[in-house]
Amino acid sequence: AQRVTQPEKLLSVFKGAPVELKCNYSYSGSPELFWYVQYSRQRLQLLLRHISRESIKGFTADLNKGETSFHLKKPFAQEEDSAMYYCALRTSSYKLIFGSGTRLLVRP
Amino acid sequence: GAGVSQSPSNKVTEKGKDVELRCDPISGHTALYWYRQSLGQGLEFLIYFQGNSAPDKSGLPSDRFSAERTGGSVSTLTIQRTQQEDSAVYLCASSLLSRSGDTQYFGPGTRLTVL
Repeated sequence: AQRVTQPEKLLSVFKGAPVELKCNYSYSGSPELFWYVQYSRQRLQLLLRHISRESIKGFTADLNKGETSFHLKKPFAQEEDSAMYYCALRTSSYKLIFGSGTRLLVRP
Repeated sequence: GAGVSQSPSNKVTEKGKDVELRCDPISGHTALYWYRQSLGQGLEFLIYFQGNSAPDKSGLPSDRFSAERTGGSVSTLTIQRTQQEDSAVYLCASSLLSRSGDTQYFGPGTRLTVL
């Protein structure tokens, strides 16, 4: 079965603290994984793609095929990082399968 | 350039009525997707159009839902005989499929409320 799991509905940290948003997937093929972010009153937008192996706004994510994980990390959280974060898996049929999302709250 | 646009931004309708939701993808994007975002179900895939190929309708929840894409551009999602459980935010996305990967760009969504 194709599935994306984000175990935490809410993650609350203080500004400057490290952040790790967890994502695990289940997929029999070669996965293509993404992190999307939705800031308050804004549209869903792409944050990271595992193919690009880039760092955006200080966030990184590494695909671990052994653990079937694609956790999102940032060493020092900022207040402006507060948002809803969705992990997504793109299947061979191009559609995205989303996790249930994690709300990140960064407190001052 | 302009991003994906959707209209209306909000739609309130009565149970049993039909509704049409519109999506204007990014110019030149060959692929178009509809998703639904609801409290109980999260973000769910509904339907996918790619060029002139037959659409992938595997995510449509019932035969009350249908969608078309005219001229390879604008798409309309139609929900017939709406039910309260259809209340959700309907998101459209488009992408330029390529061998190097595919990034889906999302519209702002249409919030549908069925009374």
